[in-house]
Amino acid sequence: GAVVSQHPSWVICKSGTSVKIECRSLDFQATTMFWYRQFPKQSLMLMATSNEGSKATYEQGVEKDKFLINHASLTLSTLTVTSAHPEDSSFYICSASGSGSHFLEKLFFGSGTQLSVL
Amino acid sequence: GEDVEQSLFLSVREGDSSVINCTYTDSSSTYLYWYKQEPGAGLQLLTYIFSNMDMKQDQRLTVLLNKKDKHLSLRIADTQTGDSAIYFCAEYYSSASKIIFGSGTRLSIRP
Repeated sequence: GAVVSQHPSWVICKSGTSVKIECRSLDFQATTMFWYRQFPKQSLMLMATSNEGSKATYEQGVEKDKFLINHASLTLSTLTVTSAHPEDSSFYICSASGSGSHFLEKLFFGSGTQLSVL
Repeated sequence: GEDVEQSLFLSVREGDSSVINCTYTDSSSTYLYWYKQEPGAGLQLLTYIFSNMDMKQDQRLTVLLNKKDKHLSLRIADTQTGDSAIYFCAEYYSSASKIIFGSGTRLSIRP
């Protein structure tokens, strides 16, 4: 199957700093990428959907100025958590789908990034 | 509204079959998925089914779809210790172009 690389896999930062998480599709062109957040023992919460070259669509309740998403190329999307606070600590997962009429037949996930804000 | 529901826990004996159930709300959904998540890892796509299908089988996995009742199930035959994980049901909401996940079912295997 297709490979989606996400890094870093784990990051610890001080409160007030910004953290950038990268999501790359290694062997296919990802026209759409999704960013999810997962709290311990809970499901994935969709944060935003990004299409290459356009602004991300954020879900209700997700602060777009807090979670900056950039999808500048067909193989790379980034999520920047700005001025991180302890409540932003979570597991962040990206996923990507390719182009084509059945592009959502398969959605490939990165391995996730555990963010811990002290 | 958008909702996908599944039970939180399932415990089965090694070698038995596991059946994980899921209900969804969007009758216009086109794709339904089952994902597996092992501790500290991302999600692995196990299988998916297109909404015009009733059943899909892939080795030890069988997916059954009841569109009338909006019910999806995943059956794992001959469950092994390596099947211990959290299994997420997900639905593609075509009206909103997004995929919504259930809460996940934690499958544990008894010897």
